[in-house]
Amino acid sequence: SQTIHQWPATLVQPVGSPLSLECTVEGTSNPNLYWYRQAAGRGLQLLFYSVGIGQISSEVPQNLSASRPQDRQFILSSKKLLLSDSGFYLCAWSVSGGGYEQYFGPGTRLTVT
Amino acid sequence: EDKVVQSPLSLVVHEGDTVTLNCSYEVTNFRSLLWYKQEKKAPTFLFMLTSSGIEKKSGRLSSILDKKELFSILNITATQTGDSAIYLCAVEGAGKSTFGDGTTLTVKP
Repeated sequence: SQTIHQWPATLVQPVGSPLSLECTVEGTSNPNLYWYRQAAGRGLQLLFYSVGIGQISSEVPQNLSASRPQDRQFILSSKKLLLSDSGFYLCAWSVSGGGYEQYFGPGTRLTVT
Repeated sequence: EDKVVQSPLSLVVHEGDTVTLNCSYEVTNFRSLLWYKQEKKAPTFLFMLTSSGIEKKSGRLSSILDKKELFSILNITATQTGDSAIYLCAVEGAGKSTFGDGTTLTVKP
C-alpha cells in the first residue's frame, strides 16, 4: 500500500533563516506531487506541483522553491523565511495523469518568529 | 483564473440533523470535483465526481455534481459529533487542483 511521509511535524524558525521540508512517498511510481499551504480558517493554496523528476510548476510567486531530486521525493525550500511564510504545509501525491484524488501527508506546522 | 467557492463557511447543528454543503466552481478544462474531510491535520478523500447527475454515496454521506450549473452538494444525514470537521471541495482542471476555503461543520451532542 502507498504511504506518504512528511517531516518535521512542527518547526519554529526565525525570520531570515533557511527552510527545508521533505516529503517522500512509498508504494507507487511516477506520482504527481504537490505542496500546499493552509492559513488558519482557509482552504489549501497550491504552491508547487510536479509531474516528474526535475519538473516543477509554481503557482504562486514567492520566496519559496521546490525540487524533486528523485521520483518519490519532493522538497520545499526557502533561503530566507518571512513572517508571512508561517502556516500549515501539506504535501500530497496522486496517480499520474491528473483528475484523481490526492493523498495527503500529516503536514508541517511552520511558525516564523 | 480558476475559482471554487464553498458555502456556508461555517455551520453548527445538533446530532441527528441533516446538512447540505455547497460548492460552486469556475475552472478551465474541468476533469473532476472532489470532496475531502479535514479533522485535525491531513485532509482525507471522500468522493470524486466526474459525471453530472450521478450521486455518489457512502453511508450517511452523499454527493452529486451538476456540470451545467457548475456546482456540487455534499449531504450528511443523521449527523454525529464525529462528523465535526472542515469539508473541502476541490476541482481538478488543466493539471492542477483548486480548493475552496472549506465549510467548518460543528455537530453538537
